[in-house]
Order: sequence, then structure tokens, then C-alpha cells
Amino acid sequence: AQTVTQSQPEMSVQEAETVTLSCTYDTSESNYYLFWYKQPPSRQMILVIRQEAYKQQNATENRFSVNFQKAAKSFSLKISDSQLGDTAMYFCAFTSYSGAGSYQLTFGKGTKLSVIP
Amino acid sequence: KAGVTQTPRYLIKTRGQQVTLSCSPISGHRSVSWYQQTPGQGLQFLFEYFSETQRNKGNFPGRFSGRQFSNSRSEMNVSTLELGDSALYLCASSFARVTSGANVLTFGAGSRLTVL
Repeated sequence: AQTVTQSQPEMSVQEAETVTLSCTYDTSESNYYLFWYKQPPSRQMILVIRQEAYKQQNATENRFSVNFQKAAKSFSLKISDSQLGDTAMYFCAFTSYSGAGSYQLTFGKGTKLSVIP
Repeated sequence: KAGVTQTPRYLIKTRGQQVTLSCSPISGHRSVSWYQQTPGQGLQFLFEYFSETQRNKGNFPGRFSGRQFSNSRSEMNVSTLELGDSALYLCASSFARVTSGANVLTFGAGSRLTVL
């Protein structure tokens, strides 16, 4: 079974600074996908970034980028120029093919990020 | 484009009762997944429906069930409620195009169930 570990339950960062959230995972699969989801206090889970394991290039989305280290099974999220709206729970998630066309997400426990003005 | 809509947003039940939660996916999305979120266990996969068929199921007891209708709307049911069923139940939909690998899930705001 796959596991996802987020070792930082809480983090804080000053507005406009850069912060990195850590995520490690364990799997025997060779083809899989990794995600970072953001859940603001309003609760709606929002996709931040997606990475396909067979792509060596790290994914980026505006101020969000990842450092994907496949051999180390590490998938960290870097947020640059942090904004107050980045305050949220961040979940790292893993998925691989489950059969019958299905992919189910395995989530980490989350990191609560607070952006301080 | 409307997002994923879950109803009701909040509900309170007592032990032994049953509950039905509803999820309307994004128009055109054929896959609906359900997740349970609790402070202790985090986010756990319940099941996934595609074209009215359950094609994947998580490790939950048989008290948890679901179904999907021809318009892709989905319901989940929990019978004989226990205190530990108190949670935020999240529904997510995706287009689920087979050739594109793992599709991005779009989540609803959730249904907060409290069992007394």
C-alpha cells in the first residue's frame, strides 16, 4: 500500500517570503502521479499542482513549483512571494492505477500554512 | 461553469440513524469519488463511481454505500450511524478520459456530518 508523509504539521511564513512544504511517499509503482491540494478555511479543496512521475521536469504553476526527486521519493512544494490568500491546509497526494480505469488518491495528513502579514 | 455541488452542507444525526448525502458533479464529468475527512484519520477514499458503476472501493464497512445515476449525480448512504462517522464528506468529480491517465479531481465544499 502506498503511504504519503508530510512531516510538518504546521508552518508559518512572512508575506512575500518563500516557503517549502515537504512530502515523501512510499510506493513500488513506477508510474504514478503526485498532487498538491490546498484547502482554505472555507474547506473547498483546490488543486495547486500536478506532477507525472515519468516526467523529469518539475511542474510549476505561477508562484508554485515542486521539487520532485523520484529516487528519493520526495515531492516538496515551494511557494514564492507568499500571499495572505495562501493561508490554508496543504495536502500532498499520490495516485496510481487501481484497475478498472480507476485512480484513487492517497493523502498525507496535511501541513497547516499560515502567512503572516 | 458550475462546480461540484454537495447537499446538505451540514447535518446532525443521532446514533443508529441513517443519512444520505448528495453530489452533483461538474457538467460532463462522469466520474464521482467520495472521501471522508476526519481530524484523526485525515482524508480517506470511500468509493468511486463511473457510468453508474462502482469501480473502486476503499476500506470502509458495508454500512457505507453509494450509487450513481444516469445524469452522473451521486449519492452516498451511511446506515446505522456511529459516533465515529462524524466527519466532513467530500465529493470529487473528474472527466475520467481513459487515455489521459490520472485526471484531476475537482472537489465540492463537503457535507459536515455530526453524529450525536
